[in-house]
Amino acid sequence: QKEVEQNSGPLSVPEGAIASLNCTYSDRGSQSFFWYRQYSGKSPELIMFIYSNGDKEDGRFTAQLNKASQYVSLLIRDSQPSDSATYLCAERGSNYQLIWGAGTKLIIKP
Amino acid sequence: NAGVTQTPKFRILKIGQSMTLQCAQDMNHNYMYWYRQDPGMGLKLIYYSVGAGITDKGEVPNGYNVSRSTTEDFPLRLELAAPSQTSVYFCASSYSVGPEARETQYFGPGTRLLVL
Repeated sequence: QKEVEQNSGPLSVPEGAIASLNCTYSDRGSQSFFWYRQYSGKSPELIMFIYSNGDKEDGRFTAQLNKASQYVSLLIRDSQPSDSATYLCAERGSNYQLIWGAGTKLIIKP
Repeated sequence: NAGVTQTPKFRILKIGQSMTLQCAQDMNHNYMYWYRQDPGMGLKLIYYSVGAGITDKGEVPNGYNVSRSTTEDFPLRLELAAPSQTSVYFCASSYSVGPEARETQYFGPGTRLLVL
């Protein structure tokens, strides 16, 4: 059974610093990974997706995929209080399904 | 575009009652999904659909049923509600599946269900 593991946190980061969120997965053959952000009481929204080994950058966000070590990371540069949320990692499984981690709660302290 | 809409926002059910959670999308997406999210947990897929008339079970389908008669609508039916079905239910849709941005899942605002 495919699994996606995340540290539940909370991860506390000072405003302006780099927040680093990590996710490990069990299926060595997995190809596609997603980071969603979920504010408290709200629905998830996509931040980034990554399919290839290496880094993918979008504004203040960088996703990193290391297939050999089976982990995916999300870096948030210049963290803002508005980045405080739960970050969900997901991998695309079989039959169109996404396999979701439980999420890491991030708190940005002013 | 309204995106993905869900009704109701909140509902209290008694054990053994039934109800239908409504979901609609106006983005002409082929794929639609129903998830439940328990406190502090990730999303669990209940059912999904790859197009009108086609549905399939996800990870936790027991106690639920779905139908997809149109591209836009994907209602979730709860029969004989149980306390274990207390959760937040999210409907989502995506244009396609594959290594493209069209795979992005767009979520509705959720329905909070309490079974007592």
